[in-house]
Amino acid sequence: QKEVEQNSGPLSVPEGAIASLNCTYSDRGSQSFFWYRQYSGKSPELIMSIYSNGDKEDGRFTAQLNKASQYVSLLIRDSQPSDSATYLCAVRWSKLTFGKGITLSVRP
Amino acid sequence: EAGVAQSPRYKIIEKRQSVAFWCNPISGHATLYWYQQILGQGPKLLIQFQNNGVVDDSQLPKDRFSAERLKGVDSTLKIQPAKLEDSAVYLCASSRNVGDTEAFFGQGTRLTVV
Repeated sequence: QKEVEQNSGPLSVPEGAIASLNCTYSDRGSQSFFWYRQYSGKSPELIMSIYSNGDKEDGRFTAQLNKASQYVSLLIRDSQPSDSATYLCAVRWSKLTFGKGITLSVRP
Repeated sequence: EAGVAQSPRYKIIEKRQSVAFWCNPISGHATLYWYQQILGQGPKLLIQFQNNGVVDDSQLPKDRFSAERLKGVDSTLKIQPAKLEDSAVYLCASSRNVGDTEAFFGQGTRLTVV
């Protein structure tokens, strides 16, 4: 069965720090990986997508993909209180499969 | 560009009653998804449509859940009869095509079964 694991968390970091969120997946037959942000009571919002090994940067966010080790991570630089949310890792095989999420709290 | 529209936003029903949710995807998006998100968990795919055909419904409890997308645009998801464990947020999402990378979510319908 194809699964996405997000076993760390909840995570608490001080404002201005780097938050590191990790995700592993069970099957190598995917080319598409995503990070969604979900504020409490709201729907998931796509913030990053990554398709090839290495890093992809977008503003304060960096997604990292290592297909050989089957993990994908999200780094948030200069964390802000507004980044406090649940971050969902998703992998597309035949369907888009989500992990359970990691709750991030950024302390002012 | 308008986003994915869902209604109602909230619904409270008693167990064994029926309920229906409606979704209107982003204009031009051929693929539509219904996800169930139980509190504290990630979204779980219930059914995926490509136009008006079903691509995947392997996790849809077919004894009580049904979904349709008759004209390849709007979709309805129905539960009959509802159980307590169906209490969740039901999220509709759409993407341009099945192989398209980005899926966009509606605001969801929060269902409480009492």
